[in-house]
Amino acid sequence: QVQLQESGPGLVKPSETLSLTCTVSGASISTYYWSWIRQPPGKGLEWIGYVHYSGSTNYNPSLKGRVTISVDTSKNQFSLKLSSVAAADTAVYYCARGVGPRTPIDYWGQGTLVTVSS
Amino acid sequence: DIQMTQSPSSLSASVGDRVTITCRASQSISSYLNWYQQKPGKAPKLLIYAASSLQSGVPSRFSGSGSGTDFTLTISSLQPEDFATYYCQQSYSTPVFFTFGPGTKVDIK
Repeated sequence: QVQLQESGPGLVKPSETLSLTCTVSGASISTYYWSWIRQPPGKGLEWIGYVHYSGSTNYNPSLKGRVTISVDTSKNQFSLKLSSVAAADTAVYYCARGVGPRTPIDYWGQGTLVTVSS
Repeated sequence: DIQMTQSPSSLSASVGDRVTITCRASQSISSYLNWYQQKPGKAPKLLIYAASSLQSGVPSRFSGSGSGTDFTLTISSLQPEDFATYYCQQSYSTPVFFTFGPGTKVDIK
């Protein structure tokens, strides 16, 4: 059974860098495409980007320049870094899996709330 | 950028009702359209992929149709566990860029 679990600080100060890790179990990270998706409280879903185990990435243009997604195959984990955060980056952050670059998201983590506040 | 719209934004329905939700893309996305269900406090769940293919384990009362710019999600007989928010999502953009629709909330009449 594929499971994804987000971890990281729940509170980040404005202008700092948000860092989250997703630990994958039940599937090898050395396959598939691994995404981050976020949802501000009471609002809709926004795709942040994905990483392939090879290290290739693709990001939402609206966040490009601030976002880095990387993979650690030795730990079966992938990570998100979002720099220069502001209150608008407050959201539930989900890690998720897709089989291919254009395929749907078939497994999701439970999500973790990150609040940006001083 | 490809923009996604959904209608209605919300609807009230009764158990047993037939419910139809529409998703429209700002340009043709072929069949690169997926539907998700999200309940409060939970992660989204994939229902339909490639516009009309039912994800494994999803009840057959859910169906999807459409191609190009216009798509529909239909629930043939609404069940109590179907009250949720439904999102469409496209993956046609090049370079790859997933866009979600704004969502349709289905609640109890």
